[in-house]
Amino acid sequence: EAQVTQNPRYLITVTGKKLTVTCSQNMNHEYMSWYRQDPGLGLRQIYYSMNVEVTDKGDVPEGYKVSRKEKRNFPLILESPSPNQTSLYFCASSSGTSGRTNEQFFGPGTRLTVL
Amino acid sequence: SQKIEQNSEALNIQEGKTATLTCNYTNYSPAYLQWYRQDPGRGPVFLLLIRENEKEKRKERLKVTFDTTLKQSLFHITASQPADSATYLCAPIRYNFNKFYFGSGTKLNVKP
Repeated sequence: EAQVTQNPRYLITVTGKKLTVTCSQNMNHEYMSWYRQDPGLGLRQIYYSMNVEVTDKGDVPEGYKVSRKEKRNFPLILESPSPNQTSLYFCASSSGTSGRTNEQFFGPGTRLTVL
Repeated sequence: SQKIEQNSEALNIQEGKTATLTCNYTNYSPAYLQWYRQDPGRGPVFLLLIRENEKEKRKERLKVTFDTTLKQSLFHITASQPADSATYLCAPIRYNFNKFYFGSGTKLNVKP
């Protein structure tokens, strides 16, 4: 089944404790992206990647890191999480290098709480 | 900076009626516009893409229009059903631009 998977689905952590949220897709997509969704602010792009080893900042990259060493995986790293990073996170992938003209497939989401 | 506006108030309609949702954008001219559906606690699901040279696009009971003069896209669901109840997001996309910006979405409630 074609899908985007994220792990963990739920995470409660404390300020400053490094964490990684994994994202994997099995559709051989070039474009991958991370979003966070907050009430009243909608879906905001954190980072995106057009292909292996090619990543760039989205609208709200501060406090996050990403890497794209393999085509299928695009982990999101929070080196020192803070409470303002409490949010619902989505990973997405799309065929083509830009995602502009192709649908994005979203993962199930990771609900992160930073205490 | 670019601004995308969707009606933040929920749209309540009766089953069988046509739902019309609005997406307005300012400060840029998108070449494409995508619409997504999102159910509570789940990831968005792609519905339709319309290009700037297409005035209208249809898919089953869905219709999207794209008015580059008004800087607006309308999303219609005809013969609406309670199962259409969800939040609908628009994403106007600039040509040659790899970042995505979404509207905050409009919640649609279809009552039986």
